[in-house]
Amino acid sequence: GAGVSQSPRYKVAKRGQDVALRCDPISGHVSLFWYQQALGQGPEFLTYFQNEAQLDKSGLPSDRFFAERPEGSVSTLKIQRTQQEDSAVYLCASSLVGHLEDGYTFGSGTRLTVV
Amino acid sequence: SQQGEEDPQALSIQEGENATMNCSYKTSINNLQWYRQNSGRGLVHLILIRSNEREKHSGRLRVTLDTSKKSSSLLITASRAADTASYFCATDIYTGNQFYFGTGTSLTVIP
Repeated sequence: GAGVSQSPRYKVAKRGQDVALRCDPISGHVSLFWYQQALGQGPEFLTYFQNEAQLDKSGLPSDRFFAERPEGSVSTLKIQRTQQEDSAVYLCASSLVGHLEDGYTFGSGTRLTVV
Repeated sequence: SQQGEEDPQALSIQEGENATMNCSYKTSINNLQWYRQNSGRGLVHLILIRSNEREKHSGRLRVTLDTSKKSSSLLITASRAADTASYFCATDIYTGNQFYFGTGTSLTVIP
């Protein structure tokens, strides 16, 4: 597709529920990032993939957060036993390796509200 | 934790005026990028400046980088109502894969 697609656009979960957020990066983009953006704040790094390899997961806030990209394209961010503090916008970004001047292409995000 | 801070947090100007926002960061960087985010949307890449560059232009945008002060500025000339958005700087460091965002400047351009 023309851009990074994220689904669902909005998600309301009851506390304790598991959620799965999907990211479809631009075709051919090797690098994929997940970021968490709380209201009124800048995005905070969660995890990074190069193809199917998760090279950095240092930003995942707890072991309730899990991300995968099994075939090196679509990625899923899973949050188990959601808590209210997980409420945020989850942003996915992708890029081509070696095209740094183009920056990263972000999706519109999934707004998660935990009630 | 976030690497950078933007200043001011909020800025309101009249259409046609110039808007300047600043970004300060904490550690040595490889590159610095500026992004724009419209309300409820994802971030859009505006411009990248490398650590060995001091100034860069793209259309109505002018970015400066002072590595000795660990700071950058973004100037938008002849602002338009459509420039209303939040602006973030993002830095990447030599040893990591991630890039760090600042706290953002909310710009309002009044028609």
